[in-house]
This record gives sequence, C-alpha cells and structure tokens, in this order.
Amino acid sequence: AQTVTQSQPEMSVQEAETVTLSCTYDTSESDYYLFWYKQPPSRQMILVIRQEAYKQQNATENRFSVNFQKAAKSFSLKISDSQLGDAAMYFCAYRSEDRDDKIIFGKGTRLHILP
Amino acid sequence: DTEVTQTPKHLVMGMTNKKSLKCEQHMGHRAMYWYKQKAKKPPELMFVYSYEKLSINESVPSRFSPECPNSSLLNLHLHALQPEDSALYLCASSQELAGWNIQYFGAGTRLSVL
Repeated sequence: AQTVTQSQPEMSVQEAETVTLSCTYDTSESDYYLFWYKQPPSRQMILVIRQEAYKQQNATENRFSVNFQKAAKSFSLKISDSQLGDAAMYFCAYRSEDRDDKIIFGKGTRLHILP
Repeated sequence: DTEVTQTPKHLVMGMTNKKSLKCEQHMGHRAMYWYKQKAKKPPELMFVYSYEKLSINESVPSRFSPECPNSSLLNLHLHALQPEDSALYLCASSQELAGWNIQYFGAGTRLSVL
C-alpha cells in the first residue's frame, strides 16, 4: 500500500522569504500522480500544483514549484516570496494511475507566515 | 468554473435527528466524493460515486447513507449519529482529462453532534 509522509507538522516563514515543505512517499508503482493541496482557515481545499511521475521536469505555478526526486520518492514544495495569504495547511497527496478515484493524503504541514 | 457547492455550511444535530448534507457541481464531472475531516487531520475518504453509481465505500457505518440522485448532485443522509461523528464533511468532484483526475473540493459542512 502507498503511504505519504510529511515530517514537518508546522513551519513558519517570514513574509517575502522562501520556504520548502517536504513530502516523501512510498510506492512500488512506476506511474502515478502527485499533488500539493492547500487548505486555508476558510476550509476549502485548493489544488496548488501537480506532477506526473513520468515527467522529469519539475512543475511550477507562479511562486510555487516542486522538487520531484523520483528515485528518492521525494516531492517537496517550494513557496517563493511568501505572502500572508499563503498561511494554510498544506497536504501532499498521491494518486495511483490504476486507482484514480482514490487520493492518499499526508498528514499535512501547517504553514505560518510571519509579517 | 471549478465550483463545488455544499450546504449547509454549519449543522448542529442531536443523536436522534435525521439530517442531510448536500453537494452540487455543474462542471459535468463524472465522479463525486464524500470525505470526513477531523481537526488538524487530512481528509478521510468515505464514499465515491462514479457515473452516479457507488464505486467505493470505505467501510463507513450505516448511519451515513450516500445518495446520488443525478450527475450534479450528491447527498449524505445522517441518522443516529454519535458525538465522535462531529467533523468537517467535504465533498469533491472530478473528471479525467488527459490522464489527470483532479479533485475539486467544496468548502465543507461543519457538523456538530450533541
């Protein structure tokens, strides 16, 4: 069974600085999809960024980028120029190519932005 | 438009009450989901409907009863709940596109069982 581990329950970063959230996963599959979701205090889960395992190029979305290391089974999220609105719980998630209706979430990292 | 709408936003119910949660999406997505989320925890999958048929039931107690009346609407009927069922209930929908099956979430219903 696949597992997703986020080893940092909480992190803080100064506004305008850069922060990296770590995520590792365990799988025996070669094809899969990885996601970072953000859940602000308003509760709605929002997709931040996604990565396909067979693509070596790291995904980027504006200030958000990932460092995908397939061999190490690592999928970290980098947030550049942190803003107050980035404060949220961040969940790393895995989806198997076969069982595409089921997402496996990590336990989350609470990110605080310090003004 | 990637909107999933959940009503009500908040719900307080007694253990003998019967209530329903509602979820709507008008994106033409073929799959809809119910999740339960406790504070500071990740969402836990409860049910998945695919093309209006129940495809996944994660061994959820029968006091939770899902229903998918049509492709845009998903209900969760609640009966004889326990205080430990108090949680945020999230609905999501998804549609496969170019190999991706991205789930879009609603804002959730905060349920308190007294």
